[in-house]
Amino acid sequence: QSALTQPASVSGSPGQSITISCTGTSSDVGGYNSVSWYQQHPGKAPKLMIYDVTNRPSGVSNRFSGSKSGNTASLTISGLQAEDEADYYCSSYRSSSTLFVFGSSTLYVFGPGTKVTVL
Amino acid sequence: EVQLVESGGGLVKPGGSLRLSCAVSGFTFSDAWMSWVRQAPGKGLEWVGRIKSKTDGATTDYATPVKGRFTISRDDSRNMLYVQMNSLKTEDTAVYYCTTFAGWNRFDYWGQGALVTVSS
Repeated sequence: QSALTQPASVSGSPGQSITISCTGTSSDVGGYNSVSWYQQHPGKAPKLMIYDVTNRPSGVSNRFSGSKSGNTASLTISGLQAEDEADYYCSSYRSSSTLFVFGSSTLYVFGPGTKVTVL
Repeated sequence: EVQLVESGGGLVKPGGSLRLSCAVSGFTFSDAWMSWVRQAPGKGLEWVGRIKSKTDGATTDYATPVKGRFTISRDDSRNMLYVQMNSLKTEDTAVYYCTTFAGWNRFDYWGQGALVTVSS
């Protein structure tokens, strides 16, 4: 069971916008501006798309944007393109004090991934 | 150009050991924090552990499932990152990725991955 919650799949037509949610707790997503997002095409290594909730690394298209409200972060892909079809994972720092809450001292947690399909 | 190349993967029996290596180039390795992330077949990503730069103490942190069994180390003179995996379990079967790590939670660059299969 993943530490963060994401929808299993999201789909959209070319040119549309889609949003992927990532829900955690006040000990991770809600407590820190540390959410990052990764894109993974089949058989390939993940690629960083967004870090610190809203920042895009150099070279990542500005069609990708991130936001956060409370314990839920979101990745929005605007102007959907065929090449955007991939799995997307969110990640967050989690306080080490959660040992007593979750029985785990894992510092960095990921969501289960969301498969984006371009119709 | 940043490059990370993992090696050392393979088939190992439960209870066995394996060491993965990651050769890095294209950036100042000695200044970098590094991490290992794994992905079980058909599953999502899971953080394994992290090592800070020597300047920051070269200290390590591990995910709960591997704590006490895995050890991450680095050789700055060779631009190499390692993970020694002992007492391997079937649930450790995964592709293991070497990554750079920065900021609060930023896995910037990833290797192509090394497959570790734990099976009798």
